[in-house]
Amino acid sequence: DAMVIQNPRYQVTQFGKPVTLSCSQTLNHNVMYWYQQKSSQAPKLLFHYYDKDFNNEADTPDNFQSRRPNTSFCFLDIRSPGLGDAAMYLCATSRGFSTDTQYFGPGTRLTVL
Amino acid sequence: AQTVTQSQPEMSVQEAETVTLSCTYDTSESDYYLFWYKQPPSRQMILVIRQEAYKQQNATENRFSVNFQKAAKSFSLKISDSQLGDAAMYFCAYNPRSGGSNYKLTFGKGTLLTVNP
Repeated sequence: DAMVIQNPRYQVTQFGKPVTLSCSQTLNHNVMYWYQQKSSQAPKLLFHYYDKDFNNEADTPDNFQSRRPNTSFCFLDIRSPGLGDAAMYLCATSRGFSTDTQYFGPGTRLTVL
Repeated sequence: AQTVTQSQPEMSVQEAETVTLSCTYDTSESDYYLFWYKQPPSRQMILVIRQEAYKQQNATENRFSVNFQKAAKSFSLKISDSQLGDAAMYFCAYNPRSGGSNYKLTFGKGTLLTVNP
């Protein structure tokens, strides 16, 4: 009965080689978030979708893109990964904003060689 | 802008003992939500407990309880009868009720809790 699923759990890519991370949810939540979390740090919000409305954080690099083809799925595309993009990427969902708890997936650990 | 401060980067506790993790926050909002999330090593982040600012009663979930002091902007987490499975990074987080452009969940830097057998 997994609620927020992320694939793959571990991803290795080469410097500059595009990579896509996947998130799916069975909660039918309206909002899906992508966070970047580096070692021993708090998660940093990259962007979120409310339904099909996309909201990018001001300091999210252009190298990071996202797609949400339907309610259940959301993808994080890193167009040209650099060494500094190695991190854990967390997907989260919530029914709405502010009052609603966010539910996190297990994360994808990205390694850039 | 809202900020969340966890002043204890690391804490340790003996199994079966009680430990309190500190969190303070800064906001000009009067209505908001506060959360404690737990992130075990290599495992997903899960919600431990949630407090609504307009409720004076402190939230409790089994062995986990909070001490919410709104005037002092303090939100500490108490773990009673600590278990080995409680070992994790704990994040305090804030979210304003009003939403809009301030919808963002603001996290503290986390407190790494070690439970010693």
